[in-house]
Order: sequence, then C-alpha cells, then structure tokens
Amino acid sequence: DTGVSQNPRHKITKRGQNVTFRCDPISEHNRLYWYRQTLGQGPEFLTYFQNEAQLEKSRLLSDRFSAERPKGSFSTLEIQRTEQGDSAMYLCASSRYSFGYTFGSGTRLTVV
Amino acid sequence: QKEVEQNSGPLSVPEGAIASLNCTYSDRGSQSFFWYRQYSGKSPELIMSIYSNGDKEDGRFTAQLNKASQYVSLLIRDSQPSDSATYLCAVNRFTGTASKLTFGTGTRLQVTL
Repeated sequence: DTGVSQNPRHKITKRGQNVTFRCDPISEHNRLYWYRQTLGQGPEFLTYFQNEAQLEKSRLLSDRFSAERPKGSFSTLEIQRTEQGDSAMYLCASSRYSFGYTFGSGTRLTVV
Repeated sequence: QKEVEQNSGPLSVPEGAIASLNCTYSDRGSQSFFWYRQYSGKSPELIMSIYSNGDKEDGRFTAQLNKASQYVSLLIRDSQPSDSATYLCAVNRFTGTASKLTFGTGTRLQVTL
C-alpha cells in the first residue's frame, strides 16, 4: 500500500492554458474521487468514479473540466482554458466501497 | 442551511486539556461520519469514523454520534501542540448511484503551551 499518488504537486499556469492532473489510487480501492479545496474552506466534491464508470459530477464541474479513469486504474482531471478562479488545491481520494477516503497529497494549481 | 456545519474557530486549549469539536448536519439520510485532520498546506488525514449512535474511542480520540439530534463531535484528550490543525467533519450518504463525502469548513484547533 503506497497510498494515493498525485502529480504534479504544484502547477503554475497562465490564464487560458489547459492543465492535466493525474491520480494513482490505492490499488485495491474501487472508488476514486476528485475534490477541490480553497483557502479556509472544506473540500468540495467534483466527481466520482466507481471502477471506470463516472457515476456523479458536481454542478461545480463546468464544461471546461473533464475527468477520466480508463480501465478503472489511474484518473486524470483536465481543466481547459483555465481561469484565475480555478486556483485551488485539487485533491484526489480513493476508498474501498463506502469506507473513509484516503487522500493524496494534492495538486496546488495557481493560475496567473 | 449548509449540509455540514462547524464552528470555524480558532478553538484554543492549553496543553493537556480536552478539546471538544462539534459538527451538525442537515441530511437525516446520512449514514456514516468521519473526522479528518488537516495540517496547513497538507491534505486531509482520516482520524476517526463512526457509523452508529454512541461513542467510539481510539487512543486519545473519542467520536460521538447522535443521529436524532444530527450531531457529531470529536473529543481529544490530553491535547498536545502537535494536535494543532484544522479538523474537518465529513458526512456520507448513499444516493443510489453514488456515495460521497460532504465536508464542513473545518474547525481550527490551537493547543497552547
């Protein structure tokens, strides 16, 4: 069990550029979640995968955001045409069924 | 009304004292409850889970759940400076197709020497 791995740890991008983040969950976990957290707030749900199926997407996830989990393994979160309001910590978590999540270290995105 | 409410703090307690952190939730269908600890600049770390009414103890931590009152609490005994962090309450509800945690905004705990 090597934990949940997220890459990159930090990303600085110019407004309007596209960015992609990767998450490698704990191998035996069938559920994968993406959350976003801004300063002083709790994590906000973005989307959820059970195996390779994306079962729920938050209304926070505009059409500029897309997530995939091919073959039910790692997941990617892409943000197109980034805006300054996208600056946040993007957290990936995985779980086995509905037990508590294990979070990765997060990717801190800064849009300048 | 927020789905999960916490006092943002800071809650300041002296070293060795008991810290009491509280959380209320709005959805009566919520089924499982979690406390996460988050140090500044780090990701949340699961410290306690509770699924049924009553108390659950794990070391210096005790989680308490009262579903009738829609209330969850976390007690930290013999508080240490290393306990200084933000504590996030999270509530899980299965909607038929998905099961996801909803988080409160967190309570910042400061343990003073």
